[in-house]
Amino acid sequence: SQKIEQNSEALNIQEGKTATLTCNYTNYSPAYLQWYRQDPGRGPVFLLLIRENEKEKRKERLKVTFDTTLKQSLFHITASQPADSATYLCALPNTGGFKTIFGAGTRLFVKA
Amino acid sequence: KAGVTQTPRYLIKTRGQQVTLSCSPISGHRSVSWYQQTPGQGLQFLFEYFSETQRNKGNFPGRFSGRQFSNSRSEMNVSTLELGDSALYLCATREGGTTSTDTQYFGPGTRLTVL
Repeated sequence: SQKIEQNSEALNIQEGKTATLTCNYTNYSPAYLQWYRQDPGRGPVFLLLIRENEKEKRKERLKVTFDTTLKQSLFHITASQPADSATYLCALPNTGGFKTIFGAGTRLFVKA
Repeated sequence: KAGVTQTPRYLIKTRGQQVTLSCSPISGHRSVSWYQQTPGQGLQFLFEYFSETQRNKGNFPGRFSGRQFSNSRSEMNVSTLELGDSALYLCATREGGTTSTDTQYFGPGTRLTVL
């Protein structure tokens, strides 16, 4: 069955450093992959979508890579700030493309 | 445009009761999906409605049901509540169409506690 894995352990980094989060998937080949941010008690907020034919995508301080051979996406936040502290979720469409399957998320803490 | 709204924001029920949650999508969005989020299971897809029809369904028991109205507003119902149904219920809306690549916008969620 389709499976998404994100590092379940929290990531603690110092302000100004680059945070790198990993999303691995197995048993399928998605046409695209999405990253969301979720703050406690709130719904997820869409950040970026990267398609299978795109190696990299950037939006301000965010950068996402998508390696379909490794079946992995990396999500980078450069020059991180305490306000970036949140849970980041990776999401992919299921086979057929109508459902979105979410990873468990990685909690990021940025210390001032 | 106004965002996705969900009501109520918080709800406390007891086992065996039933509950109805509501979701109002962003204007123009015809697709509404419902998710259950718990610390142990993460975000789990319940079902999606598009143009008043259930288009997709997750792996939840029949106690979980939903519907969509002609104005795209959606409700989900959980009957015979169990302790394990305690969760944050999120709805997400998008314009719809034939693929899911358009962005989903989530509401703030309804926090359901079953005692």
